[in-house]
Amino acid sequence: AQKITQTQPGMFVQEKEAVTLDCTYDTSDPSYGLFWYKQPSSGEMIFLIYQGSYDQQNATEGRYSLNFQKARKSANLVISASQLGDSAMYFCAMREGPWWAGNMLTFGGGTRLMVKP
Amino acid sequence: DTGVSQDPRHKITKRGQNVTFRCDPISEHNRLYWYRQTLGQGPEFLTYFQNEAQLEKSRLLSDRFSAERPKGSFSTLEIQRTEQGDSAMYLCASSLPTSYETQYFGPGTRLLVL
Repeated sequence: AQKITQTQPGMFVQEKEAVTLDCTYDTSDPSYGLFWYKQPSSGEMIFLIYQGSYDQQNATEGRYSLNFQKARKSANLVISASQLGDSAMYFCAMREGPWWAGNMLTFGGGTRLMVKP
Repeated sequence: DTGVSQDPRHKITKRGQNVTFRCDPISEHNRLYWYRQTLGQGPEFLTYFQNEAQLEKSRLLSDRFSAERPKGSFSTLEIQRTEQGDSAMYLCASSLPTSYETQYFGPGTRLLVL
C-alpha cells in the first residue's frame, strides 16, 4: 500500500483564490511527522509546513495551512490568496517514528499546481 | 545562513563511467540524507548519515552506489559503472535533531547517462 497518496496530478487555481491540495497517509506508528514541500521548475525542494502527529492544532505558516484530520489520515495543504509564483509541484511527505530517530521521508507522487492570472 | 549546496548541478556521462557528487549541508546540521528523484515522481530515500556514521541505506542503493561523510561535514555519493537507469535528480538534505526536525534540501544534481 502507498504510504503517501496525492490523488490530484494537476490543478488549476485562479490568482488570489484559495486552493486545497490533498494528501492521505498510511502508518501504524503513533509518532510521525507530515511535511509539505514546493518544487519549482528549478528543482529545489522548498520546505513549506510541518505537522506532528501529537500536535493538537493545525499548523500554519503565512499563506499556508495544513488541515490535519488524524482519524481520516489526511493532511491537506491549503494555500490562501494564490499568487503566480505558487505555480509548482507540491509534495506531501511523512516521517515515521519519533523525531530523535532520524528517519527518512517518504514522499507522495506530487500535485502540479498552476495559477491562472 | 547559507543553505545546502550540491556540486555539480548537472552531469552528463557515458554508460559505464563513474561519477561522484558532493553535498555540503547547512553548518551544524549533523544529519544528512540522500534522495533520488526520477522524472514525474517524488524523491526516494537512498541513505542517511548522523555525523560521520551511515545509519541507514535503502535497498535502492545497489553495490554500485557508495556514500561517505568522512568528517561529519560534507558528503559524497559515488556511482560506479553508471547505467541509463541511473539518470535522475540526486537530492541532498540536512537537518538538526529537533522535535520538529525538518529536512532542508539542496538544489540537486541532475545526472544524465547516455
